[in-house]
Amino acid sequence: EVQLLESGGGLVQPGGSLRLSCAASGFTFSSYAMSWVRQAPGKGLEWVSVISGTDSTNYADSVKGRFTVSRDNSKNTLYLQMNSLRAEDTAMYYCASIGGATYFDDWGQGTLVTVSS
Amino acid sequence: EIVLTQSPATLSLSPGERATLSCRASQSVSSYLAWYQQKPGQAPRLVIYDASDRATGIPARFSGSGSGTDFTLTISSLEPEDFAVYYCHQRSNWPFTFGPGTKVDIK
Repeated sequence: EVQLLESGGGLVQPGGSLRLSCAASGFTFSSYAMSWVRQAPGKGLEWVSVISGTDSTNYADSVKGRFTVSRDNSKNTLYLQMNSLRAEDTAMYYCASIGGATYFDDWGQGTLVTVSS
Repeated sequence: EIVLTQSPATLSLSPGERATLSCRASQSVSSYLAWYQQKPGQAPRLVIYDASDRATGIPARFSGSGSGTDFTLTISSLEPEDFAVYYCHQRSNWPFTFGPGTKVDIK
């Protein structure tokens, strides 16, 4: 059974940093692209970033230059380093695996990031 | 950026009724469109991918159709567990984008 468990969320001041983690199990992590998707409170879904199995990355314009996605295949873990955080980054952050058809097949339960002074 | 528009914003129906949800793309996404279901307090769940293929474990009452810019998700007979928000998503072009969602609630 695929499991994705996010952690690292919390309250941070504007301009601060946070690193999210997503621990994966139940599948061959190194073979899958992985993504972060966020959802502001009461709002819709917004794709944030993606990393392939060979470490190729892509980002939404809203986070480019501030967020960095990475992975450690030896630990089956996905990361999102978030710097220069803004109030508009406040959201539930989900990690998701990307299956062969290149959609978000499986999702974690999310970790909440709140950016506020 | 490809903008996805969903209609209606809210669909109020009774169990057993047919639900028809629409998603329109600002430019062609071919068949690279998916639908996700999200219930309150839960993560989204993949329902339909490549416009018309059901994801693993999704009941046959869910069907998708369309290509290019116009897509439809149909739930043939609503079950109590189907009341949720549904998002369409395109993976044809970077950046990936989602529609704003259609809430299917109980009438």
